[in-house]
Amino acid sequence: DTAVSQTPKYLVTQMGNDKSIKCEQNLGHDTMYWYKQDSKKFLKIMFSYNNKELIINETVPNRFSPKSPDKAHLNLHINSLELGDSAVYFCASSLRAGTSGADTQYFGPGTRLTVL
Amino acid sequence: RKEVEQDPGPFNVPEGATVAFNCTYSNSASQSFFWYRQDCRKEPKLLMSVYSSGNEDGRFTAQLNRASQYISLLIRDSKLSDSATYLCVVNIRNTDKLIFGTGTRLQVFP
Repeated sequence: DTAVSQTPKYLVTQMGNDKSIKCEQNLGHDTMYWYKQDSKKFLKIMFSYNNKELIINETVPNRFSPKSPDKAHLNLHINSLELGDSAVYFCASSLRAGTSGADTQYFGPGTRLTVL
Repeated sequence: RKEVEQDPGPFNVPEGATVAFNCTYSNSASQSFFWYRQDCRKEPKLLMSVYSSGNEDGRFTAQLNRASQYISLLIRDSKLSDSATYLCVVNIRNTDKLIFGTGTRLQVFP
């Protein structure tokens, strides 16, 4: 009965490869997010979708492309992986958008990506 | 300058001690404030929201000073299980973005 789940948990790959991370939430939330936590533990938002619509798109290389097939899923595809992409990627969800962030965000367990 | 600044620590305290963490934020349009907790190699989880009048949840007390753009978290009677990284989090008005500090690490020892 995991609320926010991500797959895979660990991902080790070579530079230049393309990979995807999947996220699903069963909380009935409208809004989902992708965050990146780097080696210095700094957690930074990358994207946010509200009911399949992109609402936040931070300054992220266009090698990163989020896709939301429905409001319960938000996947992250990364093309041409680089060494600097190594990090932990967290998916999160919250009840709704447009409430100025007042709703709690629930995080998935994270995907630890290592690019060799 | 980072938008949300915290002392990274670590704070090493004995069980039963009282410990306080501080956080400053730079954006005056910040509207909502939170403390999240992150255990080693785990996801962040909401610890508590921070209200203008200050609020308490058991051993945890949060304070907000809007004039000084300063947030604090006080933990009384520390337990071993309180060992974690505490993240100060700010939401900017009219956005859904949460801005995270880099966290303050707490280690409680027996």
